[in-house]
Amino acid sequence: AQRVTQPEKLLSVFKGAPVELKCNYSYSGSPELFWYVQYSRQRLQLLLRHISRESIKGFTADLNKGETSFHLKKPFAQEEDSAMYYCALSGQGGSTLGRLYFGRGTQLTVWP
Amino acid sequence: GAGVSQSPRYKVAKRGQDVALRCDPISGHVSLFWYQQALGQGPEFLTYFQNEAQLDKSGLPSDRFFAERPEGSVSTLKIQRTQQEDSAVYLCASSLAGGQGRRNQPQHFGDGTRLSIL
Repeated sequence: AQRVTQPEKLLSVFKGAPVELKCNYSYSGSPELFWYVQYSRQRLQLLLRHISRESIKGFTADLNKGETSFHLKKPFAQEEDSAMYYCALSGQGGSTLGRLYFGRGTQLTVWP
Repeated sequence: GAGVSQSPRYKVAKRGQDVALRCDPISGHVSLFWYQQALGQGPEFLTYFQNEAQLDKSGLPSDRFFAERPEGSVSTLKIQRTQQEDSAVYLCASSLAGGQGRRNQPQHFGDGTRLSIL
């Protein structure tokens, strides 16, 4: 069965500190992994996806198939990074192409 | 133009009433998804449309939930005889076409409808 686990519900760091938001998944096929972010009073929006292999707002995430992880990292956190972060998984192919399975989310707070 | 639009933003209903939630996807987006987000949880899949065809409704929690997209654009999620456990934020998302063998297209989410059942 598909499952996305975000073990930390809350995460706090000081500005300038490194931050890592953990995400582990289980999926029988070849998944596609995403990070979505929701800033205060804004809608859910895509932050990055593993196939893009890009850095968005200083964040990166590497898919580790051996550990079934897709942790989100940033070397120097900023106050504006404070938000709710969701890890999500989607299968590839089939009639439900695109259906997302979400983790419960991690609320990141960056203190000044 | 604008992103995914959902209405109403807030809906309060008494237990047993029927409600209808509307989603206007981004123009030209073929795929449309509904998700339910309970307090403190991530969104959970309800149903999926490709144009007007409802290809997956496996996430609908009961037969009280019904969704339609008759012309392949606007979609309505209807909940009959609402129960307190239906209280949640209902999110709609749309994406460009993604068919067999094609990569997933990014989903664009609306602001959601916050439903409260008294």
